[in-house]
Amino acid sequence: DAKTTQPPSMDCAEGRAANLPCNHSTISGNEYVYWYRQIHSQGPQYIIHGLKNNETNEMASLIITEDRKSSTLILPHATLRDTAVYYCIVRVPQRAAGNKLTFGGGTRVLVKP
Amino acid sequence: NAGVTQTPKFQVLKTGQSMTLQCAQDMNHEYMSWYRQDPGMGLRLIHYSVGAGITDQGEVPNGYNVSRSTTEDFPLRLLSAAPSQTSVYFCASSYSASGNEQYFGPGTRLTVT
Repeated sequence: DAKTTQPPSMDCAEGRAANLPCNHSTISGNEYVYWYRQIHSQGPQYIIHGLKNNETNEMASLIITEDRKSSTLILPHATLRDTAVYYCIVRVPQRAAGNKLTFGGGTRVLVKP
Repeated sequence: NAGVTQTPKFQVLKTGQSMTLQCAQDMNHEYMSWYRQDPGMGLRLIHYSVGAGITDQGEVPNGYNVSRSTTEDFPLRLLSAAPSQTSVYFCASSYSASGNEQYFGPGTRLTVT
């Protein structure tokens, strides 16, 4: 899996968009970008993933740069319940190694009233 | 649907006791797995299954057994609990063994004294 770099923490105002960056300059052509989050004391939660096109779902939008070396997760209207650690993962979905997910340090996002 | 469910939410065991952590999913997912998460650490894969009747070891399988007799259920058995197994245990599932998004249960917080 390609290495990713995320800021360790960021604050966001409730109701505003939260833009979470992720650098993955060594990404290879068949690796996807995934985002998960983990709210305190809960299980990790899948948010979104993409290969090269921008993606949007009911939770967030994912913007991937044209060279695919970085991406941004956008939470359009952050709420207090979005306070969590957000993980950017770059990987090829695979049966090998049990399809294990490896979370790095992530970004600790605090949404403030 | 309920997604991935885990029982119990909390459990305290004495050293040497055995118990089974239950995991069930109602999404007809092929792939299921068990992770443990220790404080300040990432997820570590214990065992996984790519379909009913098929299981395999992850990176930290010692002290744990699994079976997959149905698509829905994937119980984790602790054979003889040790304090080193104090952790939070998460069950996850995905549509296929090379699945993109994985869905996690709420976790079982286990303390071994």
